[in-house]
Amino acid sequence: EDQVTQSPEALRLQEGESSSLNCSYTVSGLRGLFWYRQDPGKGPEFLFTLYSAGEEKEKERLKATLTKKESFLHITAPKPEDSATYLCAVLPQGAQKLVFGQGTRLTINP
Amino acid sequence: GAGVSQSPRYKVAKRGQDVALRCDPISGHVSLFWYQQALGQGPEFLTYFQNEAQLDKSGLPSDRFFAERPEGSVSTLKIQRTQQEDSAVYLCASSSPNYGYTFGSGTRLTVV
Repeated sequence: EDQVTQSPEALRLQEGESSSLNCSYTVSGLRGLFWYRQDPGKGPEFLFTLYSAGEEKEKERLKATLTKKESFLHITAPKPEDSATYLCAVLPQGAQKLVFGQGTRLTINP
Repeated sequence: GAGVSQSPRYKVAKRGQDVALRCDPISGHVSLFWYQQALGQGPEFLTYFQNEAQLDKSGLPSDRFFAERPEGSVSTLKIQRTQQEDSAVYLCASSSPNYGYTFGSGTRLTVV
């Protein structure tokens, strides 16, 4: 069964304090791994798609990396506006539906 | 439209009442998905359409849940005889091969 586990469930950082969020996955074959940001009361907002081990993508203070078993979302020198829930999802080979983890709730204190 | 539009944004239903949730996908997007998101959890798949055909409904939790997309654009998720455990945010997403998956803001359903 395809499964995604995110850790930690919640993370509090001070502004400027860099850290990483983890997404571990088990899937029969990976077509893509997605990172989304979700603000309270809103739908998930697309950040990145990674397709193969070793791939990296960056956007502002965020960098996503992928191995054969997990993905990391690195946040460098975060700001309070980076506070949100970050969701990881996998798209298995031959499937159309995304399988999501439970999310990491990130809070950046000024 | 520019994004996926869902209505209503909030719905309060009395237990046993029927509800209908609407999703307007991005124009031209062939695939449409419904997800259910409980508080503090990630979205869980409910059902998937390709044009008007419902190709996967394996995530619908009971036969009280029904979805349709009769003309291959707007979709409606209907829940009959609502129960308290149906309280959640219902998310709609549409996708195309080149543009990935775009989610709407969701409908928050509260069953009292």
